[in-house]
Amino acid sequence: DIQMTQSPSSLSASVGDRVTIACRASQNISNYLNWYQQKLGKAPKLLIYAASTSQSGVPSRFSGSGSGTDFTLTISSLQPEDFATYYCQQSYSTPPHTFGQGTKLEIK
Amino acid sequence: QVQLQESGPGLVKPSETLSLTCTVSGGSMSSYYWTWIRQPPGKGLEWIGYIYYSGSTNYNPSLKSRLTISVDTSKNQFSLKLTSVTAADTAVYYCARLAEVWQTHYYYYYMDVWGKGTTVTVSS
Repeated sequence: DIQMTQSPSSLSASVGDRVTIACRASQNISNYLNWYQQKLGKAPKLLIYAASTSQSGVPSRFSGSGSGTDFTLTISSLQPEDFATYYCQQSYSTPPHTFGQGTKLEIK
Repeated sequence: QVQLQESGPGLVKPSETLSLTCTVSGGSMSSYYWTWIRQPPGKGLEWIGYIYYSGSTNYNPSLKSRLTISVDTSKNQFSLKLTSVTAADTAVYYCARLAEVWQTHYYYYYMDVWGKGTTVTVSS
């Protein structure tokens, strides 16, 4: 299986901050990388697919980059509704489409 | 707008079979893959497997020996059966639509519509 490792596991930030979350794959996955946001008690929501393509309706402050084994999700200016847990997921090979362990973004 | 809804027992006894159904409304199942994902309490997401609307499947190797995913397009439903459950199978189970899109010479896959999730507890 391809292993996905996110860093940091948790992060404290303030409204208006620029935040970056990293995701590393255990092998080359090209740009087959998705990002999801999950709020407490809710289902995950797709933010980014193909490493850098924003899903329709996602605010422009969210952006993704990377290729190969190293990827990042950037939130340019944190809003109160952005405090959540973020997961990366590879869709390069199956089975399985593995997820990272998650990054919990908390209010400072 | 496509919506997904999970249903099934919230409590299953150890060694028995966990059975869940996901009902798709507001759209057709055709030309899509349909997936199951689970999340143990306080933990991250685990990909369980998917089924194409035509019936072909792909399972997580860690669950493959106990897992069956099936589809009934006439009812707009797909289902999960997991046998010989233990406490480790306690989780919120989500169903989701797996979209396949063609972009710059390649197909990409992502889960774009999710159900709200259903909690399954394995306990005697």
